[in-house]
Amino acid sequence: GAGVSQSPSNKVTEKGKDVELRCDPISGHTALYWYRQSLGQGLEFLIYFQGNSAPDKSGLPSDRFSAERTGGSVSTLTIQRTQQEDSAVYLCASRTGGVGTEAFFGQGTRLTVV
Amino acid sequence: QKEVEQDPGPLSVPEGAIVSLNCTYSNSAFQYFMWYRQYSRKGPELLMYTYSSGNKEDGRFTAQVDKSSKYISLFIRDSQPSDSATYLCAMGGKLTFGTGTQLKVEL
Repeated sequence: GAGVSQSPSNKVTEKGKDVELRCDPISGHTALYWYRQSLGQGLEFLIYFQGNSAPDKSGLPSDRFSAERTGGSVSTLTIQRTQQEDSAVYLCASRTGGVGTEAFFGQGTRLTVV
Repeated sequence: QKEVEQDPGPLSVPEGAIVSLNCTYSNSAFQYFMWYRQYSRKGPELLMYTYSSGNKEDGRFTAQVDKSSKYISLFIRDSQPSDSATYLCAMGGKLTFGTGTQLKVEL
């Protein structure tokens, strides 16, 4: 596709349920990032992929959070046993790979845990 | 202390004003500096990108980097109501973001 695509755009889930958020990066972009943005806050780094490997997952807030990337393309962020504090917008970005290249963002998934 | 500090605002200015948005950072290893604009309920979009000290101009926007002071700025000239958004600075390889400054340009 022309840009970074994220799905679903909105997700409401009950506390304790698992959720999967999907990111489809721009074709050919080897680097992929996940961020979390809470209301009125900046972007909090979660995890970075280079190809299928994750050299930096230091931002994942707990072991309930995990992410994978397959085929050097689509990535899935999974949150297990969701809590109300997980409510936020989850943003994905991709770039061609070099640290000096532009990162393009998707529109985000707005997660609400009730 | 956060690696990147940014005044959250909100900042309200009249149409036509010059706007100055600023970030300070603590990591001297940062070499790449970016400014993103984010409209409500949208993903951030890149406005300006620079990797050296000095000024970079693009239309009404000027990005300024002072590595010796660990300070970056974004200037918006002749501000328009359509510039009303949240402006986020970002830097480094894994894109460490400031908290964003909410800007409102009023008619």
